[in-house]
Amino acid sequence: GAVVSQHPSWVICKSGTSVKIECRSLDFQATTMFWYRQFPKQSLMLMATSNEGSKATYEQGVEKDKFLINHASLTLSTLTVTSAHPEDSSFYICSARGAGQGFSSYNEQFFGPGTRLTVL
Amino acid sequence: AQKVTQAQTEISVVEKEDVTLDCVYETRDTTYYLFWYKQPPSGELVFLIRRNSFDEQNEISGRYSWNFQKSTSSFNFTITASQVVDSAVYFCALSELNSGYSTLTFGKGTMLLVSP
Repeated sequence: GAVVSQHPSWVICKSGTSVKIECRSLDFQATTMFWYRQFPKQSLMLMATSNEGSKATYEQGVEKDKFLINHASLTLSTLTVTSAHPEDSSFYICSARGAGQGFSSYNEQFFGPGTRLTVL
Repeated sequence: AQKVTQAQTEISVVEKEDVTLDCVYETRDTTYYLFWYKQPPSGELVFLIRRNSFDEQNEISGRYSWNFQKSTSSFNFTITASQVVDSAVYFCALSELNSGYSTLTFGKGTMLLVSP
């Protein structure tokens, strides 16, 4: 149980285009989803936290108009990189936090497999 | 201030050697969780362990063992008889009660290379 998927697993796009990445909790309802970015040989950095039905909370330094996050349902959050540029090339990882029966009081995060974005 | 420090950027060992990955953390919370994750070349994070701040008992799982010492704010990870498949980047992470456990703070990671 507690499986999180991401789609696509990798994407290559031209500079200036927009790219949408989906994060789905497959077998549980995710009240909160997190988006991380990881540059090569670096750590995971939290970009934003999204709660279902409300606006995402962005970390300092993350442009909310560039990285649009939508958490429209309890099983789906999307990250859209608008007008992507080569410096946006990175590994994007989402995680989902479940709540309620079957989950620990800790509300641990379950990670997706990541999406590798390359902007040419 | 960095909350999770993994001072070892890269470690290279030969198969069957034991290796310890260090993790030092910083928090003002008395209640927190510590984690270790493995990230193989494929990129997917693999959960290894979660430890509550009130549980200082060391844990062993197969070839893996963890040493949690609150006195030194350390949560070190040892792989015994390393194997080539252990080659990966390993991250230590911290989650604090005062953030509602809503945030995972990762260390910079230690790349482990196990050669045959």
